[in-house]
Amino acid sequence: GIQVEQSPPDLILQEGANSTLRCNFSDSVNNLQWFHQNPWGQLINLFYIPSGTKQNGRLSATTVATERYSLLYISSSQTTDSGVYFCAVGSNDYKLSFGAGTTVTVRA
Amino acid sequence: DVKVTQSSRYLVKRTGEKVFLECVQDMDHENMFWYRQDPGLGLRLIYFSYDVKMKEKGDIPEGYSVSREKKERFSLILESASTNQTSMYLCASSPLYSGTGVETQYFGPGTRLLVL
Repeated sequence: GIQVEQSPPDLILQEGANSTLRCNFSDSVNNLQWFHQNPWGQLINLFYIPSGTKQNGRLSATTVATERYSLLYISSSQTTDSGVYFCAVGSNDYKLSFGAGTTVTVRA
Repeated sequence: DVKVTQSSRYLVKRTGEKVFLECVQDMDHENMFWYRQDPGLGLRLIYFSYDVKMKEKGDIPEGYSVSREKKERFSLILESASTNQTSMYLCASSPLYSGTGVETQYFGPGTRLLVL
C-alpha cells in the first residue's frame, strides 16, 4: 500500500503563531484529505485536496502531486486548533491510507 | 449535515467475549468503513463495505468480521475479544465511488474499547 509520512510528529505553538505541517506519500494518488481530530476524538475533514491549493479561514492546504507531498498551513493559531492532524491518501479504490498524524498543542 | 453515530463511546469487555460495535449514518452513503486507531500508528482500515451485504477486507481484518444488512448500518464484530484489540474504533461513511477517488469520509465519534 501507499506509505504516508507526516512531519513533525509533535508541534507546540504559542497562540497566534503560524505553522506548517507536511505529508509525504510514496506513490501517485488521486485522493488526499486532511483531517483534524479534536481532544475528544472526533475527526473532522478539513480539506479534500488531491492537487492544488485551497483555503478555509485560517487554514490552507497545498498539494504538489507530481512531487508527492502536501502541506497544511495554520495561521494565527488558537487553542481550539489543538489536536491531531492526519493526512490520508488513496488511489483508484475506496481505501484511504493514513499517516501517523501530527499532534499540535497551542498554548495560550 | 452528515451524521455518523456509534453505539457506545466507551466499552469494557472481558477476554473471549463477543463484541458488537454498531455504526449508523443518515446520509444514504454507499460506502462505510471501520478503522482502529492506535498511538503512533494513525488509522488502520479493518473492513469496508460499498453496498448492502458487500464487504471487503482492509489492512488488518484478522480477528474481526462485519455485517451490513441495511444501507445505513455497518456493524463490526469481535468474535472472541482479546487484549490486543483494546483500541479506539472509528466508523466512517462516504458517497459512492466517483471514479476520481473516494469522496470525503465522514467519521463517527469513536468507541474506546478496553478488553480485560
